[in-house]
Parts: sequence; C-alpha cells; structure tokens
Amino acid sequence: AQTVTQSQPEMSVQEAETVTLSCTYDTSESDYYLFWYKQPPSRQMILVIRQEAYKQQNATENRFSVNFQKAAKSFSLKISDSQLGDAAMYFCAYRSPITQGGSEKLVFGKGTKLTVNP
Amino acid sequence: GAGVSQSPSNKVTEKGKDVELRCDPISGHTALYWYRQSLGQGLEFLIYFQGNSAPDKSGLPSDRFSAERTGGSVSTLTIQRTQQEDSAVYLCASSLTQGDSYEQYFGPGTRLTVT
Repeated sequence: AQTVTQSQPEMSVQEAETVTLSCTYDTSESDYYLFWYKQPPSRQMILVIRQEAYKQQNATENRFSVNFQKAAKSFSLKISDSQLGDAAMYFCAYRSPITQGGSEKLVFGKGTKLTVNP
Repeated sequence: GAGVSQSPSNKVTEKGKDVELRCDPISGHTALYWYRQSLGQGLEFLIYFQGNSAPDKSGLPSDRFSAERTGGSVSTLTIQRTQQEDSAVYLCASSLTQGDSYEQYFGPGTRLTVT
C-alpha cells in the first residue's frame, strides 16, 4: 500500500519570504499522481498543484511550485513571496493511475501547518 | 456554480446514537468520495462511488459505518452506535468522472463530536 509522509508538523515563514514544505511517499507503482492541497480554518480542501509522475518537468502554479524527485520519491512544495492568506494546513496526497474498476481514492500525509508572520 | 455541500456543519451526539451525514456533490459529477479527518491526522479514505458501479468500501473502519448514494447524486454516510473514537471531521468530495486528470472537489465537511 502507498504511504505519504510529511515530516514537518509545523512551519513558519515571514511574509514575502519563501518556504518549502517536504513530502515523501512510498510506492511500487511507476505511474501515479501527486497533489498538494491547502486547508484553511474553513476546512475546505483546495487543490494547490498537481504533478503527473510521467512528466519530468516540475509543475508550477503562480507562486507555488514543486520539486519532484521521482527516484528519491520526494515531492516538496515551494511557496514564493508568501502572503498572509497562505496560512493554512497543507496536505500532500498520492493517487494511483486509473485501472479498470480501480478506485480514485487519495492517500494523504498528516499535513504541515504553515504560519505566515507579518 | 455551486460547490460540494455537506450537512450538518457540526453534529454533537451521545455515544451509542446513530448519525446521518449528508453530501450534495457538484451537479453532473459521477464520482463521490467520503474521507475522515481525525484530530491531527491527514484524511483517511472511507468509501467511493462511481456511477452505477459497486462502491469501493475498502476504507470503512467497521460495520457500524455505511453509505449510500441515491439516484447517482446525494450521498448519506451513516454511523450506527457511535463511539467516541468516531469524533472527527467527515469530508465529502466529488469529481467529474473517472479519469486521470479529474480533480476532486471537497465540501466543507461535517464536524462530528461524540460525547
């Protein structure tokens, strides 16, 4: 079974600075999908960024980018120019490729609480 | 358009009582998921519905947990004889259809407290 590990329960960053959140995973599959979700106090999970394992290029969405190291099974999230609104729980998630009759369930890490200091 | 909605937002119940949690997915989404988020933990998969296929119930923690999806839309998660360890936030998500690139959209969750 796949597992996802986030080794940083809490992180803090100064406004306008850059922060990197770590995520490692364990899988025997060669093709899969990785995600970072943001969960503010409202509890609403919001997709931040996704990465397909077959793509070598790291995904980027505005101030958010990932460092995907497939051999090391590492998938870190970099937030540039941090803003107060970035404060939230961040979850790394894994999903297997779709096979006939397969489930699309996400496997989540335990999360990292990000604090942004003004 | 409207997102995934869940009701109630919060539920407090006594140990041993049954509870029902409701999820309204985004209109047209054929896939629906239930996850549980216990305090300080990540999300734990419970059950998955896809169209008319048999649901994937592999994540349900005990036979006290069940879920149904009527008419391919609204879903209800039922917990019978609640226990204190059932206290958690229950999140529902839906996606457009089965497929590699389809995003799961989450609702705001139901916070269940068992006293």
